Amino acid sequence: AQKITQTQPGMFVQEKEAVTLDCTYDTSDQSYGLFWYKQPSSGEMIFLIYQGSYDEQNATEGRYSLNFQKARKSANLVISASQLGDSAMYFCAMREGHSGYSTLTFGKGTMLLVSP
Amino acid sequence: DGGITQSPKYLFRKEGQNVTLSCEQNLNHDAMYWYRQDPGQGLRLIYYSQIVNDFQKGDIAEGYSVSREKKESFPLTVTSAQKNPTAFYLCASSIEYVGQPQHFGDGTRLSIL
Repeated sequence: AQKITQTQPGMFVQEKEAVTLDCTYDTSDQSYGLFWYKQPSSGEMIFLIYQGSYDEQNATEGRYSLNFQKARKSANLVISASQLGDSAMYFCAMREGHSGYSTLTFGKGTMLLVSP
Repeated sequence: DGGITQSPKYLFRKEGQNVTLSCEQNLNHDAMYWYRQDPGQGLRLIYYSQIVNDFQKGDIAEGYSVSREKKESFPLTVTSAQKNPTAFYLCASSIEYVGQPQHFGDGTRLSIL
């Protein structure tokens, strides 16, 4: 079974609109961390936002926020006021406690295209 | 500035040839990782190392080898046993803690001639 599932291969949004990128995860650990990364066409991976399993509030970083629903095992990324520079691949990833937090498991990603 | 440096940016391999991808970090991180990314796909873990002189296989280690003789360096060798090496290779490092992200280099694109 996949540990990280991103069901949207591609998303389109107009500039200045908000967009939600979906991520569901599967773990039996009580302690885990969820991460979102952005990968522009140039290839580098840029860390965007982190949510810990024990965090009661949703994480926010500027225009990025994480809609964390623990009971549903979902960690959706919300980008407010989209910009043309937001066009990129977005990956959800998880670190689990049982592995000593040694490794990240990645989803297959969602391609976001922002149009003028 | 602290960061991770991967070289070369582009690499070409002939059939039957071994090639080595370089990864150096000055973030003082204990853990380092190698990932492979195929077009339109997510990242798959090849090898990782938590301390010097120790490393573990990831999900797709066959046909690859690594060494960790220094904290700052974690080179990846793509051997001739790797039959489909054309991919984008990313190196990362991190602190071993649940809330710490992995920091990535800019990647190496490997192609077969």
